[in-house]
Amino acid sequence: DTEVTQTPKHLVMGMTNKKSLKCEQHMGHRAMYWYKQKAKKPPELMFVYSYEKLSINESVPSRFSPECPNSSLLNLHLHALQPEDSALYLCASSPPRASSYEQYFGPGTRLTVT
Amino acid sequence: AQTVTQSQPEMSVQEAETVTLSCTYDTSENNYYLFWYKQPPSRQMILVIRQEAYKQQNATENRFSVNFQKAAKSFSLKISDSQLGDTAMYFCAYLLQGAQKLVFGQGTRLTINP
Repeated sequence: DTEVTQTPKHLVMGMTNKKSLKCEQHMGHRAMYWYKQKAKKPPELMFVYSYEKLSINESVPSRFSPECPNSSLLNLHLHALQPEDSALYLCASSPPRASSYEQYFGPGTRLTVT
Repeated sequence: AQTVTQSQPEMSVQEAETVTLSCTYDTSENNYYLFWYKQPPSRQMILVIRQEAYKQQNATENRFSVNFQKAAKSFSLKISDSQLGDTAMYFCAYLLQGAQKLVFGQGTRLTINP
């Protein structure tokens, strides 16, 4: 299995809703990432989990809450989002350090906040 | 801070032609990795090629090759015998060894015309 999967593919939510994005990989990778991507822009890093511990939070608003229940699974909990949070949310994973460094991306979740 | 610059926002070539995408970066570090990612309209980010800074030999992957000029801090991507499926946004990215944050360029939108 050499892929990162993300669910759902599309999500529409109101500003008062609570929803979650899910990311899964079975490549034995020990680092997992959340990115936000606006149209025609590069991905922006949000969070990094390394060995199931949060290692990087790029000053993301608290309405985004990451969770890493185990080494294969990464969630992003969403609450009270704003319309400007509409974007493509990408998950990625990378092998353990001293192995190789490239990040492998999932297909993304297209989020629309109404 | 490291920066990555892609000076060509858009490019367009005919099928079967060769095209070169430019990327320059700024860093004071000696050990790092460089990547080219492709993001087709299907939106999944796909790793095209990677280069370790300590390697002098330019990386190649089938029709894709790089021209890595470390002193000039240049990392261009050459696509030979271009195909319609190469139509995508291409991002150049930098990763400091030991770090987890990819630094992306702004991207080049490449269109292959039949």
